[in-house]
Amino acid sequence: DVKVTQSSRYLVKRTGEKVFLECVQDMDHENMFWYRQDPGLGLRLIYFSYDVKMKEKGDIPEGYSVSREKKERFSLILESASTNQTSMYLCASSWRGNTIYFGEGSWLTVV
Amino acid sequence: AQSVTQLDSQVPVFEEAPVELRCNYSSSVSVYLFWYVQYPNQGLQLLLKYLSGSTLVESINGFEAEFNKSQTSFHLRKPSVHISDTAEYFCAVSESAGSQGNLIFGKGTKLSVKP
Repeated sequence: DVKVTQSSRYLVKRTGEKVFLECVQDMDHENMFWYRQDPGLGLRLIYFSYDVKMKEKGDIPEGYSVSREKKERFSLILESASTNQTSMYLCASSWRGNTIYFGEGSWLTVV
Repeated sequence: AQSVTQLDSQVPVFEEAPVELRCNYSSSVSVYLFWYVQYPNQGLQLLLKYLSGSTLVESINGFEAEFNKSQTSFHLRKPSVHISDTAEYFCAVSESAGSQGNLIFGKGTKLSVKP
């Protein structure tokens, strides 16, 4: 089975802190994604990557950056966390446009 | 631009009743269509998908969805629901031509099955 692992399930951070959300997949997938999920808004794409060191902006990239130094790892970075970034963050991966597999999610609260 | 509309944000039903969760999409090219399910405090799991071929696709737990190109719909149905089907369901679309695999999601439908 494909496994997408998000290292932190629950985080509480202070406004202005730098936050790292880590994601690892074990299936040699080329594509990796970070989504944000909010009630009533569904899932919105923040960034995605289709290869090592490659990244593309999604629908809501403002306030976020990403890093993909290794194929299996895709990190989401909040340079200066704000309260409106309190949300559930979902990492996902896929192989060349095939089915997307999701991690369990990371609940981030910014206070 | 692609978009997905899930017409109902919440659907309450009684156990063993039939259910239909509606999904409509807009796209100018051929599409792949997906239904994902999210149980409380978990990530999303693929329920079923339409890539090509038969327009009726089924999941292992009794759900089915039919791709209707003329109506640009991909409604999810189950003839008899169980308490364990209580979850949020997301419809998603991906362009099948030159796609990097990105999905556009609907806003979700919360299915609540009552005894």
